[in-house]
Amino acid sequence: GAGVSQSPSNKVTEKGKDVELRCDPISGHTALYWYRQSLGQGLEFLIYFQGNSAPDKSGLPSDRFSAERTGGSVSTLTIQRTQQEDSAVYLCASSLSERETQYFGPGTRLLVL
Amino acid sequence: DAKTTQPPSMDCAEGRAANLPCNHSTISGNEYVYWYRQIHSQGPQYIIHGLKNNETNEMASLIITEDRKSSTLILPHATLRDTAVYYCIVRVDYKLSFGAGTTVTVRA
Repeated sequence: GAGVSQSPSNKVTEKGKDVELRCDPISGHTALYWYRQSLGQGLEFLIYFQGNSAPDKSGLPSDRFSAERTGGSVSTLTIQRTQQEDSAVYLCASSLSERETQYFGPGTRLLVL
Repeated sequence: DAKTTQPPSMDCAEGRAANLPCNHSTISGNEYVYWYRQIHSQGPQYIIHGLKNNETNEMASLIITEDRKSSTLILPHATLRDTAVYYCIVRVDYKLSFGAGTTVTVRA
């Protein structure tokens, strides 16, 4: 079946611009996660959704980062006033529930010039 | 989460079995061992996971020692497409954390 999809696959933006990253989870998966992976860095947790609620936003780096999920499905990660240090691969994952296996999307490669 | 230790790299001949070791000596009783891999420029791909018993699926086998302090991922017949970074993690909650992993290069 269809896996997790993300769009865009690549995004180049100028410092100070806002960007929106989209994630379509696997159908029926109630849990959704955003991670960030920088060159030479490990996987960094950003936020976890259960349904449309985000019980854990502890990994969001600053108030420039926000995320929402609607209809228990699609999620959008928004970065306002992008900075060069925001350049990274943003990964979305979903799972049937929070204790089940997480399946990742292909990621969005963000480059802030 | 318990820390894991993996060799930084290993080579494998195409068609041969690849055995990837992982040490997790501080694992707790309710922590699962998960394996993911990441092929260059792609998202992490789930391979297999286990708690106590050995597991096998269409991709690989996972052998967990009786004391659960180490495990081995076995790719039975490695192909060139198996070249990737392989991550062994132990998890108790939903926040996944990858270490450096093992870079596996399958050679023809």
